[in-house]
Amino acid sequence: AQTVTQSQPEMSVQEAETVTLSCTYDTSENNYYLFWYKQPPSRQMILVIRQEAYKQQNATENRFSVNFQKAAKSFSLKISDSQLGDTAMYFCAFMKHNAGNMLTFGGGTRLMVKP
Amino acid sequence: NAGVTQTPKFQVLKTGQSMTLQCAQDMNHEYMSWYRQDPGMGLRLIHYSVGAGITDQGEVPNGYNVSRSTTEDFPLRLLSAAPSQTSVYFCASSYGLAGATETQYFGPGTRLLVL
Repeated sequence: AQTVTQSQPEMSVQEAETVTLSCTYDTSENNYYLFWYKQPPSRQMILVIRQEAYKQQNATENRFSVNFQKAAKSFSLKISDSQLGDTAMYFCAFMKHNAGNMLTFGGGTRLMVKP
Repeated sequence: NAGVTQTPKFQVLKTGQSMTLQCAQDMNHEYMSWYRQDPGMGLRLIHYSVGAGITDQGEVPNGYNVSRSTTEDFPLRLLSAAPSQTSVYFCASSYGLAGATETQYFGPGTRLLVL
């Protein structure tokens, strides 16, 4: 079974600054996908960024980028130029390849962006 | 498209009562899933379906039943509610296997309180 660990229950950052959220995972699989989801106070789950394990290049989506270290089983999320709207819970998630869309989530990190 | 819809938004049950949480999508998605989110935790998979007539168990299936008679609908049934089932329930769907290109879309959630 896979496990996903987010070691930072809460973080805060000043508006316009950069913050990095940590995620580690444990798996014996070689082909898998990793995701970061954002959950604002509305509770809606929003996909932020995804990474395919067989791609060495780190994924980037505008102000969001990841640092994927496959050997270390680490998948951190960097948010640049933080905005007030980035305030939310952030969940790291793992999915095996061809696994019927079964996501395994970490416990989440609550991020507060301060003005 | 309405996307993924869930009803009701909020429900209070007494221990031992039964109810059905509704989930529907109008995007012709084959894959649908049910997750629960307990306070301070990430989402955990309850049941999932890879197409009409096909369902399987996830990480925490006990106490829940599902069926998939149509592509659009994927109801979750609680046969005899227990306080441990107090949670927020999310339905998700995707056209195919989520991963490199497909995205899972989440519904807005149903908050369930079992007294």
